Amino acid sequence: SQTIHQWPATLVQPVGSPLSLECTVEGTSNPNLYWYRQAAGRGLQLLFYSVGIGQISSEVPQNLSASRPQDRQFILSSKKLLLSDSGFYLCAWSGLQETQYFGPGTRLLVL
Amino acid sequence: DQQVKQNSPSLSVQEGRISILNCDYTNSMFDYFLWYKKYPAEGPTFLISISSIKDKNEDGRFTVFLNKSAKHLSLHIVPSQPGDSAVYFCAASELDNDMRFGAGTRLTVKP
Repeated sequence: SQTIHQWPATLVQPVGSPLSLECTVEGTSNPNLYWYRQAAGRGLQLLFYSVGIGQISSEVPQNLSASRPQDRQFILSSKKLLLSDSGFYLCAWSGLQETQYFGPGTRLLVL
Repeated sequence: DQQVKQNSPSLSVQEGRISILNCDYTNSMFDYFLWYKKYPAEGPTFLISISSIKDKNEDGRFTVFLNKSAKHLSLHIVPSQPGDSAVYFCAASELDNDMRFGAGTRLTVKP
């Protein structure tokens, strides 16, 4: 069976520090991978999605970047965190169908 | 652990009929429930929500029902329209904390 992992679960970082959130998927190959942020008002904002290694599409210009160094690994990064980067970040994967399987999420607090 | 489950990966309904999408959860501490709608190549968008103090919330053609004793909620769309064809995600959260998502149900409304 397929599983998706995210770490860390929670993270407290100072403003201006770098960020690296990791997401890995097991039990499937060549998944589509997604990074979301839980926006204000319970919305869900798509940040990045990837259909293959090294292929990243950005939905929203921002202080963040994403990379996919391996088929089942998706990394969300920042060189310098802003206060506004605080939030809840979700990774998800999908196969050929459009159902998406979400990871447990990472709560980021930038102080 | 999958705290929010959507056991039907797909549903097909005739235009004008009612669509019923179901969702089950295991965490009795969840106090807020949401439905999201997702079109291809887009992120999920918020559709409707319900607090655990209610058992029904209605917004136009969309109604969400919550059965706390059964840990079950459902989304009713009536009448269904072809433009409603999308993937629908159920989500739940506890005390305004991070959301847990189901895997989604793909709804197809046939003209």
